Amino acid sequence: AQSVTQPDIHITVSEGASLELRCNYSYGATPYLFWYVQSPGQGLQLLLKYFSGDTLVQGIKGFEAEFKRSQSSFNLRKPSVHWSDAAEYFCAVGASTNAGKSTFGDGTTLTVKP
Amino acid sequence: DSGVTQTPKHLITATGQRVTLRCSPRSGDLSVYWYQQSLDQGLQFLIQYYNGEERAKGNILERFSAQQFPDLHSELNLSSLELGDSALYFCASSGRGADEQYFGPGTRLTVT
Repeated sequence: AQSVTQPDIHITVSEGASLELRCNYSYGATPYLFWYVQSPGQGLQLLLKYFSGDTLVQGIKGFEAEFKRSQSSFNLRKPSVHWSDAAEYFCAVGASTNAGKSTFGDGTTLTVKP
Repeated sequence: DSGVTQTPKHLITATGQRVTLRCSPRSGDLSVYWYQQSLDQGLQFLIQYYNGEERAKGNILERFSAQQFPDLHSELNLSSLELGDSALYFCASSGRGADEQYFGPGTRLTVT
């Protein structure tokens, strides 16, 4: 069965500092991996996705993530955090076949200090 | 704007009642997913429909049911409501062959 672990429930960083959010997955085949962001009172928005190819993927809002098969990880990074990045971030793993359901992690809440 | 619409935005009802939540997927998307998000349970996958047929089932209670209509909109029916059913209910849709999901703004259900 597929699963996703986000080890950090809550992270606080200063504005302008770099950010890394961790995600570890368990999946029997080549995973489809996603990062979503949820601002307070909003639905989830896709930040980036990895299906195959280059293991470093670029997303919206200046985010990137790196797929490391050997570590079963798909960590999200941003070189310089903005106050507007404060939100909850979800990592998800999906099936490689059509429209299979994705399994979401429990989320990491990011607080940005001024 | 994801292109996924959900109605109503807010719903307040009493225990024991039944409610229906509605979702319209993005144009052309065949899959609809329903999720429940609560403070203690996080984001829980409930059920997926693909082109009118149930495709996958998650942690959906027997008191809950869903369907997808020929025009691809979906409804989630919640009955015999309990206080613990208070949560945000999200609908998401995805296209053929793709797994990224586009989420609606959610329906906030409060059971009193």
